[in-house]
Order: sequence, then structure tokens, then C-alpha cells
Amino acid sequence: AQSVSQHNHHVILSEAASLELGCNYSYGGTVNLFWYVQYPGQHLQLLLKYFSGDPLVKGIKGFEAEFIKSKFSFNLRKPSVQWSDTAEYFCAVNAGNTPLVFGKGTRLSVIA
Amino acid sequence: ETGVTQSPTHLIKTRGQQVTLRCSSQSGHNTVSWYQQALGQGPQFIFQYYREEENGRGNFPPRFSGLQFPNYSSELNVNALELDDSALYLCASSFTVANTGELFFGEGSRLTVL
Repeated sequence: AQSVSQHNHHVILSEAASLELGCNYSYGGTVNLFWYVQYPGQHLQLLLKYFSGDPLVKGIKGFEAEFIKSKFSFNLRKPSVQWSDTAEYFCAVNAGNTPLVFGKGTRLSVIA
Repeated sequence: ETGVTQSPTHLIKTRGQQVTLRCSSQSGHNTVSWYQQALGQGPQFIFQYYREEENGRGNFPPRFSGLQFPNYSSELNVNALELDDSALYLCASSFTVANTGELFFGEGSRLTVL
């Protein structure tokens, strides 16, 4: 069975700082990888996804993630965060036709 | 807005009671998944419905059951409520059962069991 670890429970950044949120998964086979975001008071929504091909994936709102197979990692990055990026971020994985397995989430607080 | 609507948004029950949560999927989506999100945790898969049949189940006891209707809307039923059932219950719809597509989530039903 797959599992997902998100290293940081709560990250606090100043506006314009760079962001990197860690995500590691455990599964030996081919996986699909996702980052979902939940803004305050809103539903979970897809930020970006990786199925195959270029391991550097670009998503909405300037976010990107890099799949490093040898490290079983799919870290989320953004060069310069904004106050509106304050949200909870969830990494998720599935393999083939299995349901998504989510990490525990990382809460990002961006301060002015 | 995702087009996935859930009701009720909040409810309070006592131990031993039963609860029914409802979900209307996004137009054109034939697959509905239910997730439980406990406080401080990520969503955990309960089960999925496709064409009115259960199509996969997570590690939840049989007192968690569901239905999908011909219009693809869905219900989650929980019997004999326990305190640990307190959580946000999320419904997600997708246009493919293959689990390789994007999930569209509703805003959830927050259940408190006293």
C-alpha cells in the first residue's frame, strides 16, 4: 500500500520568500502524484499533477513540483509566495487504479 | 466552485445514533468517492461508487455504507456513531472511475459526535 509523508506541519513565510514543501511517498512501482490545496473556507482543489514525462510539473498560480524517482519525492515549490497563498497543502499519490492516498498536510501561513 | 454540493454542512449527533450525508456530483461525473478528514489529518478514503455499485473501499468498518443513485448523487450512512467518527466528510466526483483524473471536492459535512 502507498503512504505519503509531508515533513512540515506548519510553515510560516514572509511575502516574497521562496517556498519548498516536502513530500515523500512509499511505493515501489509506477505512481501518479498530486498536490491539492485548500484555501481558508474553500474546498480542496488540484494544484498540479504528475503522471509521466517531464519530472518538473508546472501548476496553477506559479507553483511547480519536481518528481525525483530515486528519492521517492515530489516537493512543491514557488519562487515568491504571496499572502493569498496562505492555505493547507496536501500531497497525494496513487498507483494505477487505486484511490488517492493523502499526506497529513502542511499549513502555510504567509505574513506581510 | 466545483459543482459538487454536500449537505448538511454541519451536524451534531450523539454516540449510537445514525447519520446520512448527501452529495451531488458535478455534472457529467459518474464516479463519487467519500473521504474522512479528521482534525489535523489528510483525507482518508472511505469508498467509491461507480454506476451505483461500490467500486473500492478503504479501511473502514461495515457501519460505514453508501449509495449512489441513477443521477450519480450519493449518500454516506454511518450507523452506531462513535466519538472518533467526528470529522469532516468530503465527497469528490470525477468523470472517470480510473482514479487517474482530477477529483472535484465538495466543501464537506462536518460531523460532531458527542
